[in-house]
Amino acid sequence: GAGVSQSPSNKVTEKGKDVELRCDPISGHTALYWYRQSLGQGLEFLIYFQGNSAPDKSGLPSDRFSAERTGGSVSTLTIQRTQQEDSAVYLCASNSGGPNTGELFFGEGSRLTVL
Amino acid sequence: KQEVTQIPAALSVPEGENLVLNCSFTDSAIYNLQWFRQDPGKGLTSLLLIQSSQREQTSGRLNASLDKSSGRSTLYIAASQPGDSATYLCAVRPRGSTLGRLYFGRGTQLTVWP
Repeated sequence: GAGVSQSPSNKVTEKGKDVELRCDPISGHTALYWYRQSLGQGLEFLIYFQGNSAPDKSGLPSDRFSAERTGGSVSTLTIQRTQQEDSAVYLCASNSGGPNTGELFFGEGSRLTVL
Repeated sequence: KQEVTQIPAALSVPEGENLVLNCSFTDSAIYNLQWFRQDPGKGLTSLLLIQSSQREQTSGRLNASLDKSSGRSTLYIAASQPGDSATYLCAVRPRGSTLGRLYFGRGTQLTVWP
């Protein structure tokens, strides 16, 4: 596609429910990132996929968070048993090439509100 | 661990002024530095990417410089306009990080009033 696409754009859920957030990167981009932006906070790194390499999961805040990337393209971020502190905007980004090249392109984000 | 700081946190200026936004980072071993713009409720839009071997990049009224040895970058905005109002973020991609993670500053919130 022309840009990074994320869905849903907004999600309101009840505490304890599971949610799935989807990211469709720019076609041909091998690297995909998930970041989280809480109100008034900076961007918090969550997870990074690069081609067929093992993902860098070091930013996932707890074992309730997981992500997968199928076929090297679309990625899904899953949050189980959501808590109120999970409320944030979840941003996905992609770029081409290795770590020393390429601009990072972001989607519009998925705003998650946990009641 | 790489830390990125942006000063000032907020800036309010009248239309037409030339602006300088600052970004500093603690570890000079970087692959590149990227400046972004974020409008309220939106994602990040890439403005300029500077590779570690470069000193500056220009796009229209924007000019970004990089002094890797001192750990600093500046974003210069010429003849500011109300449409420039947004939050500006810088991010560095450190060397030695095998999986390419970026580190972001907290941003400078810019307001340009007519």
